[in-house]
Amino acid sequence: QQQVKQSPQSLIVQKGGIPIINCAYENTAFDYFPWYQQFPGKGPALLIAIRPDVSEKKEGRFTISFNKSAKQFSLHIMDSQPGDSATYFCAARDSGGSNYKLTFGKGTLLTVNP
Amino acid sequence: NAGVTQTPKFQVLKTGQSMTLQCAQDMNHEYMSWYRQDPGMGLRLIHYSVGAGITDQGEVPNGYNVSRSTTEDFPLRLLSAAPSQTSVYFCASRGANGNEQFFGPGTRLTVL
Repeated sequence: QQQVKQSPQSLIVQKGGIPIINCAYENTAFDYFPWYQQFPGKGPALLIAIRPDVSEKKEGRFTISFNKSAKQFSLHIMDSQPGDSATYFCAARDSGGSNYKLTFGKGTLLTVNP
Repeated sequence: NAGVTQTPKFQVLKTGQSMTLQCAQDMNHEYMSWYRQDPGMGLRLIHYSVGAGITDQGEVPNGYNVSRSTTEDFPLRLLSAAPSQTSVYFCASRGANGNEQFFGPGTRLTVL
């Protein structure tokens, strides 16, 4: 059972475009939703995260939108740059009984063309 | 701080060989985890530990063993490598009261 579904699998945009990556979850106990960015040959690194008590969070050019009723959240990258080309993973965690475990989506390979 | 370190960076094994992937962290984190990353499959949890002496299975534990004798170290053992274990392996750690999970640089393993 895939608890966090991520789409699309891959995405190509032109420089300056606004790529959007979507995730949906099933477990209503999830209460922490991070996004990780991974460059080729490197480990994933935390990019931005949100809790369900807010509907949007911005950090620089990166924005998470969160829809608790729909159990969906998405990552928007404003004014995308070739340096944003990477694989992006959404994730979710239950801060209660399974506090130690992050459940990841399958990832989105983003390519930003110059 | 070095953060999370992993050795080796690359490894080639023959089917049936055994090896240990090393992971260490210097942040005094309670939680440590091992993931494997395969194309189109995302990051799948192999084993995890919530503290020294405590380990448990994740999503894909078969063929792997772990132990946690110290807070700093969390080695992953392959007892009899199989081609299906060809993957990139990531170790990660997090403080019990923190949110951010820190990943190591990964070990690329090929089993022939």
